Amino acid sequence: GNSVTQMEGPVTLSEEAFLTINCTYTATGYPSLFWYVQYPGEGLQLLLKATKADDKGSNKGFEATYRKETTSFHLEKGSVQVSDSAVYFCALSEGSARQLTFGSGTQLTVLP
Amino acid sequence: GAGVSQSPSNKVTEKGKDVELRCDPISGHTALYWYRQSLGQGLEFLIYFQGNSAPDKSGLPSDRFSAERTGGSVSTLTIQRTQQEDSAVYLCASSLASGVEKLFFGSGTQLSVL
Repeated sequence: GNSVTQMEGPVTLSEEAFLTINCTYTATGYPSLFWYVQYPGEGLQLLLKATKADDKGSNKGFEATYRKETTSFHLEKGSVQVSDSAVYFCALSEGSARQLTFGSGTQLTVLP
Repeated sequence: GAGVSQSPSNKVTEKGKDVELRCDPISGHTALYWYRQSLGQGLEFLIYFQGNSAPDKSGLPSDRFSAERTGGSVSTLTIQRTQQEDSAVYLCASSLASGVEKLFFGSGTQLSVL
């Protein structure tokens, strides 16, 4: 079956530091890959996505590249802000939200 | 409403009791999903409603779990004879279409079974 493994947290960084949250996946087919973010007290929100190999998803300064050869979709940001403090979830889907598979989430805290 | 609303936000119950969790999706969204997030785990799909079609119940972990959606809008997830392993965050999401990227999530109900 499908699975997503992501970097365990919590991760604590200083403002303006570089962020990487690792995500690798196992899938039987050719999934779409997603990063979701959950800010404190809010619901999950789609942060970015990539639907095929070598695609780069980007949003709010975050980027992730779909690497089929390494089955990875690592999340990066060059300079984090305090407002980026949240839980980040890597996910994959092979077509529908019924088949959405999430990682266990990584708590990020950015200190001023 | 402006977003997906879930109630209650927190529920503490005793083992063996029944609980009902409510989800109010975004107005007009025809698709509604329930997921469960156990501590340290990713989201687990439970059930999916699409319009007037029969729901996809393939993710429900046992027959103690059931869900209904009345009038194509509000949904209630019921857990009968709760067990400690049912403790988790229950998330609801809705969308206009079935695409994953169109999902809007509620902030969840934290269920604690003592």
